Amino acid sequence: DAGVIQSPRHEVTEMGQEVTLRCKPISGHNSLFWYRQTMMRGLELLIYFNNNVPIDDSGMPEDRFSAKMPNASFSTLKIQPSEPRDSAVYFCASRRTGDEQFFGPGTRLTVL
Amino acid sequence: AQRVTQPEKLLSVFKGAPVELKCNYSYSGSPELFWYVQYSRQRLQLLLRHISRESIKGFTADLNKGETSFHLKKPFAQEEDSAMYYCALRSGAGSYQLTFGKGTKLSVIP
Repeated sequence: DAGVIQSPRHEVTEMGQEVTLRCKPISGHNSLFWYRQTMMRGLELLIYFNNNVPIDDSGMPEDRFSAKMPNASFSTLKIQPSEPRDSAVYFCASRRTGDEQFFGPGTRLTVL
Repeated sequence: AQRVTQPEKLLSVFKGAPVELKCNYSYSGSPELFWYVQYSRQRLQLLLRHISRESIKGFTADLNKGETSFHLKKPFAQEEDSAMYYCALRSGAGSYQLTFGKGTKLSVIP
């Protein structure tokens, strides 16, 4: 198994543009998480899906952020419009209920 | 509310010296505690969890409920231990949420 797969690994965009980050969880995992990592705030949970349903999106910073999970093998995190303060590393993680979380390699986003 | 505190942003030690990465938590119930490690340009990965009571790569961590701490220790640091270390708390086996500390960067000086 390749583990959790994220794409792109690096994204550089200009302020105001739409950004879409993608995640493929580990097959058989029923929970998916999106995190944001910054120097100032560390690792923050943005949203949690269970069986493709968003359960907790209280960490999503504002309406510019949205996440979807149309099926068990794919999720997106979209930022529209993007701002320089959104620059961070975004991690996706997945797990089976009760098991540990497995993290993807992350997407390093730079908004100019 | 649950909170995890790692008081040191950066810890530098010489190779062969003992290492202790501090982690304190705030939670009223019985939490599960974890240590995650992130080596340079690699993904975050689980190092150990308190319920396993195991030693991984020479690291151990003991949950001290009286002091609400879960410090990570290793008697002799190796250069390959240089990485970011995150302490994390889960409020119970049925909970989904991991609360992370802000991390400590360990630098082992050759």
